[in-house]
Amino acid sequence: GESVGLHLPTLSVQEGDNSIINCAYSNSASDYFIWYKQESGKGPQFIIDIRSNMDKRQGQRVTVLLNKTVKHLSLQIAATQPGDSAVYFCAENKDDYKLSFGAGTTVTVRA
Amino acid sequence: GAGVSQSPRYKVAKRGQDVALRCDPISGHVSLFWYQQALGQGPEFLTYFQNEAQLDKSGLPSDRFFAERPEGSVSTLKIQRTQQEDSAVYLCASSLLGTSGRTDTQYFGPGTRLTVL
Repeated sequence: GESVGLHLPTLSVQEGDNSIINCAYSNSASDYFIWYKQESGKGPQFIIDIRSNMDKRQGQRVTVLLNKTVKHLSLQIAATQPGDSAVYFCAENKDDYKLSFGAGTTVTVRA
Repeated sequence: GAGVSQSPRYKVAKRGQDVALRCDPISGHVSLFWYQQALGQGPEFLTYFQNEAQLDKSGLPSDRFFAERPEGSVSTLKIQRTQQEDSAVYLCASSLLGTSGRTDTQYFGPGTRLTVL
């Protein structure tokens, strides 16, 4: 992934509101995309993934949208909670198994 | 169940020292990856193992970096003659499947924070 266009390095959101985190990816041949959450001092934690044959996938309080036409990925978090404060990374499989990560978005939840 | 574990969690080395970082993947996972994460950046790929075979080491920054997974389980990343630019968090990840043209979910460990003085 890359940090271009719609990507914002930081996002401040009111507790209870919905969050949208954007990511632009670089390789039109990538067929697997994944979102990770990384809290301070911890490793990236898997949130949700999506393959290129889908344009939407839902998990618990999270939804990932994939727009292959404009090579854009987004993560929506419903009813954002304080525990959602972290850095969020999108990643694409640029070379089959290798993951290429974006720059990350720091989400801060305001009480 | 147990996730990916890494040790030590923190390592301070003097420039020129050798270090060894250990990764215990999720039991039964075929694939193992090492990534390097500089401060404020996303992880960057270093190397990949499928069982004991190192199939890709294209991301290793120099020949001072060496990784092994001799029995297809635990892996060690060794850095010889450490330099200040080696300071970073080293992350290990594992996935259930090998490369079969279909990317599998990678699960990360907590990382080892290496500081070279």
